[in-house]
Amino acid sequence: AAGVIQSPRHLIKEKRETATLKCYPIPRHDTVYWYQQGPGQDPQFLISFYEKMQSDKGSIPDRFSAQQFSDYHSELNMSSLELGDSALYFCASSSTDRGDTEAFFGQGTRLTVV
Amino acid sequence: AQKVTQAQTEISVVEKEDVTLDCVYETRDTTYYLFWYKQPPSGELVFLIRRNSFDEQNEISGRYSWNFQKSTSSFNFTITASQVVDSAVYFCALSDLKTSGSRLTFGEGTQLTVNP
Repeated sequence: AAGVIQSPRHLIKEKRETATLKCYPIPRHDTVYWYQQGPGQDPQFLISFYEKMQSDKGSIPDRFSAQQFSDYHSELNMSSLELGDSALYFCASSSTDRGDTEAFFGQGTRLTVV
Repeated sequence: AQKVTQAQTEISVVEKEDVTLDCVYETRDTTYYLFWYKQPPSGELVFLIRRNSFDEQNEISGRYSWNFQKSTSSFNFTITASQVVDSAVYFCALSDLKTSGSRLTFGEGTQLTVNP
C-alpha cells in the first residue's frame, strides 16, 4: 500500500539559508500535518491543512510557511535557517471520511543546519 | 489544553522480561483518541495502536497489550517477553476529534533498552 512520501530524506543547509521540504500524502487523504522533532524530544505539531486550507496551527516559527497544493502534496518552506532548526521533520496524512483521525507518518526529513 | 505525561524517561530490562510503559493524559474533551508509537533508532514513527475514548476494553496483540483506564486517565502499554528488537523510544499521544483533522499531542517518550 502507498505510504506518505517525504523528500528529501536528508538535507544539510547553512545558517541563514532556505530549505523546502516536500510531502506527498497517501492517495485520497485530505489532511496533511507537519511535525518537528528536535534531538531527544517528542514531535511537536507545526501546522496542518485540510482540503488545501490551513486547518490548525501550532508552534510554527514565523520564518516557516507551508501550503497544500491542488494535488494535495504539501511543502514546508523554512527561511533564515538557524542552528536550532536542526531536527527531524515529519509529515503525516489522514482521511477525515467517517471521522477517521488516524495519521500515517512519513519517514521524515532530517534537516541539519551548520 | 491537552497534555500527555510519560514519567519514565528510560527503562532498561533484560531480554524476556515483561515491561510496562506508563502514560497519563489530560484533556477537556469528552471524546478523544489515544495512540502509541514506536520510534526505532532509524527514526521513523511506527504506529502501534489507536484507542477511542469510548472503548475501555483492554487490547492484546501478540506480545503487546494495552490497559486503558479512563477513571485514572491512563493508557499503559505492556510488552511481554521483551526482545532486543523492542529497543526503541515509545511515544504515547492524544488527539481530539475534529472534522478537519486532529493534531497529535505527544508525551516526552520512554527510551526502552532491552539487553541480551
